[in-house]
Amino acid sequence: EAGVAQSPRYKIIEKRQSVAFWCNPISGHATLYWYQQILGQGPKLLIQFQNNGVVDDSQLPKDRFSAERLKGVDSTLKIQPAKLEDSAVYLCASRVPGGLREANVLTFGAGSRLTVL
Amino acid sequence: AQKITQTQPGMFVQEKEAVTLDCTYDTSDQSYGLFWYKQPSSGEMIFLIYQGSYDEQNATEGRYSLNFQKARKSANLVISASQLGDSAMYFCAMREDVGYNQGGKLIFGQGTELSVKP
Repeated sequence: EAGVAQSPRYKIIEKRQSVAFWCNPISGHATLYWYQQILGQGPKLLIQFQNNGVVDDSQLPKDRFSAERLKGVDSTLKIQPAKLEDSAVYLCASRVPGGLREANVLTFGAGSRLTVL
Repeated sequence: AQKITQTQPGMFVQEKEAVTLDCTYDTSDQSYGLFWYKQPSSGEMIFLIYQGSYDEQNATEGRYSLNFQKARKSANLVISASQLGDSAMYFCAMREDVGYNQGGKLIFGQGTELSVKP
């Protein structure tokens, strides 16, 4: 099966500019996640979707970050305006719904590396 | 609050030898899952192994095994017969409420960088 697709892979912007990242999860994966991974740290959850509804966005900086998953399939994460500390890799992940064992595993995309100058 | 701790920022191992990467966790939940992911320099997170809190036996996946000690709240990853391609960052992660449709979020430790020497 095809993996989780993300684009762009790399983006360099000036501070205060805006940027958008796109994610297309594995077909049939109703649950989608966006993680932020700052260099040298483990990934941190930004937002979790179940179909097109938000399950958890408690760590999303809502004054500058927004995310949507309008049709319950692909998703967009936007940052506006960007700050220097937003430089990180943005990872998208998805998993099948349900409580079965295999539903617990998240499959990650290759990530989008953002550099804010 | 759930927490994952990896105390080894970096580890070295000789090729073909076994290595243990440490992970301790903290949770008040009874139903949870423990994961190990590998992140090579390319950046993608690769799933290695999963252990459910109710699993009676330690999980094994090829050269990977998870040494699960529930009372000590530890979930160490053992890699047998290390290969040069095993050089990467390794992350321990935990998710609460496994077995439910939504469940809790997956949280990660700080990671351990493993270097395999020829």
